[in-house]
Amino acid sequence: GQNIDQPTEMTATEGAIVQINCTYQTSGFNGLFWYQQHAGEAPTFLSYNVLDGLEEKGRFSSFLSRSKGYSYLLLKELQMKDSASYLCAVRDRDSGYSTLTFGKGTMLLVSP
Amino acid sequence: DTAVSQTPKYLVTQMGNDKSIKCEQNLGHDTMYWYKQDSKKFLKIMFSYNNKELIINETVPNRFSPKSPDKAHLNLHINSLELGDSAVYFCASSPVSRRDWTGELFFGEGSRLTVL
Repeated sequence: GQNIDQPTEMTATEGAIVQINCTYQTSGFNGLFWYQQHAGEAPTFLSYNVLDGLEEKGRFSSFLSRSKGYSYLLLKELQMKDSASYLCAVRDRDSGYSTLTFGKGTMLLVSP
Repeated sequence: DTAVSQTPKYLVTQMGNDKSIKCEQNLGHDTMYWYKQDSKKFLKIMFSYNNKELIINETVPNRFSPKSPDKAHLNLHINSLELGDSAVYFCASSPVSRRDWTGELFFGEGSRLTVL
């Protein structure tokens, strides 16, 4: 089974930097994902980490520590449009046809 | 050219009714999924099909029956709808057999089901 934990809500100011943490416990591990979901829309893929370290993609970066079961998503130069729910998800290696198990999401509110 | 499309987008119905949601993907992926997102926004896997074969079946009531006529389509039929079935149902697909697949899922826009 898997257990994924992330904060329920966060607030930040336009132009600032925010870090959204995710911790996980899983019987197998084959990658950690971050998705962004705006209200009323489908989740969209942001980033993927399978090895330890930092992956940078424009204003967004994602970090993984497999030994600690820990990841974070870093959002720089926040914009109003970044207000959304951010979902941490883990792919379990154990099953032959593994899928993603999602955390409950962190609702980020960016204010002017 | 919607990659993963679901119909209907909105569905309002009475308790006890039977309803279906359809999903089609034109990405050539071999695996399709149904996820349920409840009012607390928790996204949970329900079913997964690989080349029309059921491979993941989470603890879901028997009233929910998926059907995959071909690998591009995955439909969800729900019998005897209950209030607790109200949620947004997301279809997704992925190219599991591709060596370079990282595990990313491609989601449809969701079907919001409201049971009165």
